[in-house]
Amino acid sequence: QSVLTQPASVSGSPGQSITISCTGTSSDIGGYNYVSWYQLNPGKAPKLVIYDVSHWPLGVSSRFSGSKSGSTASLTISGLQAEDEADYYCSSFTSSSTWVFGGGTKLTVL
Amino acid sequence: QVQLQQWGAGLLKPSETLSLTCAVYGGSLSGYDWSWIRQSPGKGLEWIGEINHSGSTNYNPSLKSRITISVDTSNQFSLKLTSMTAADTAVYYCARGSTGTHFDYWGQGTLVTVSS
Repeated sequence: QSVLTQPASVSGSPGQSITISCTGTSSDIGGYNYVSWYQLNPGKAPKLVIYDVSHWPLGVSSRFSGSKSGSTASLTISGLQAEDEADYYCSSFTSSSTWVFGGGTKLTVL
Repeated sequence: QVQLQQWGAGLLKPSETLSLTCAVYGGSLSGYDWSWIRQSPGKGLEWIGEINHSGSTNYNPSLKSRITISVDTSNQFSLKLTSMTAADTAVYYCARGSTGTHFDYWGQGTLVTVSS
């Protein structure tokens, strides 16, 4: 059981937008603007796509965007492309000075 | 461009100790925190612990009694996890913590299997 709750899967067609939610508590997501999102592909190093709730790392497409409301964070990918198909994980800093992650969401581009 | 390269034994027997090393290329350990994170089969990511360049550590309370993270050289750090069981079977990643808020560079991962 992961600490942060994500949907197991989402899907969308090329060009569409999808949103992945990530729900925590006031001790993690709700307490800090330190939510980040990672893209995992088999056999590759995980890639940071959003940090500090809504900031883009250098080189990441602006099709990726992040937001937060209360203890729920969201990752939106607009203009879906085949290359976006991957697993996505959210993460948050916690009041215990540790890090927690979600269970991961498998994105399928139809 | 920062790159993290990790290595270590991939097959262990129950009760053995996991030993992994992560080398940082294109930078040094100075100024950042360095973490180990794992992904068990079919499960989410789990943060194991971190160390900074001066050797101060911070561990996941659920694993604290079995973990040692240490700095080996100015650009290399390592993880030891004792008393391994099948539940510790996972892909283990090293990662750089940036500004204390996220992990911006990751290693490629090491699959560690615990089996008798």
